[in-house]
Amino acid sequence: AQSVTQPDIHITVSEGASLELRCNYSYGATPYLFWYVQSPGQGLQLLLKYFSGDTLVQGIKGFEAEFKRSQSSFNLRKPSVHWSDAAEYFCAVDPVGSSNTGKLIFGQGTTLQVKP
Amino acid sequence: EPEVTQTPSHQVTQMGQEVILRCVPISNHLYFYWYRQILGQKVEFLVSFYNNEISEKSEIFDDQFSVERPDGSNFTLKIRSTKLEDSAMYFCASGQGSSGNTIYFGEGSWLTVV
Repeated sequence: AQSVTQPDIHITVSEGASLELRCNYSYGATPYLFWYVQSPGQGLQLLLKYFSGDTLVQGIKGFEAEFKRSQSSFNLRKPSVHWSDAAEYFCAVDPVGSSNTGKLIFGQGTTLQVKP
Repeated sequence: EPEVTQTPSHQVTQMGQEVILRCVPISNHLYFYWYRQILGQKVEFLVSFYNNEISEKSEIFDDQFSVERPDGSNFTLKIRSTKLEDSAMYFCASGQGSSGNTIYFGEGSWLTVV
């Protein structure tokens, strides 16, 4: 079945430490890939996206993500986490070749806690 | 930066009542969406809307739900007779194109059904 998996439900890192949030998908073709962030009480803000081309994409707030076709992964990274990065992070997929309606499939989210 | 705006930010309603959630998508966008997030669960697609008609809907989007673009700027989600399980955050979103284009989300409307 088509799905998006974020294996880590909850991650805690120290401020200044590096961060990697995992995302795996299972689709036949390479989908379009997104990372969104949701701060408490806020909506979903787009961090970055991958459609094609360079597999390492840069986003806002110092985030980057790398698409690895062989692993069906699109992991989000940040070299040095700030306290304000504490939020919930969602990986999402737009399956190319689906009904072409721009419907996103979301992972279950990873909650990031930042220790001072 | 243009944004999707939603009202109300929070609504409490009694079971069986009708609710209308309102959204103003980004002005040059052509595709509109509603998603829902039940507390502690995934964000789920409800419906997409293009050219004044529904282009796709999920199994969740049953006869109790409807969407409308009553004028050139608003996009609404109506729940005819709310149930307790409709309690969720409802996100409106819009995009310029269909598959592969970036979808921008509003801040959400919290619906609590009591």
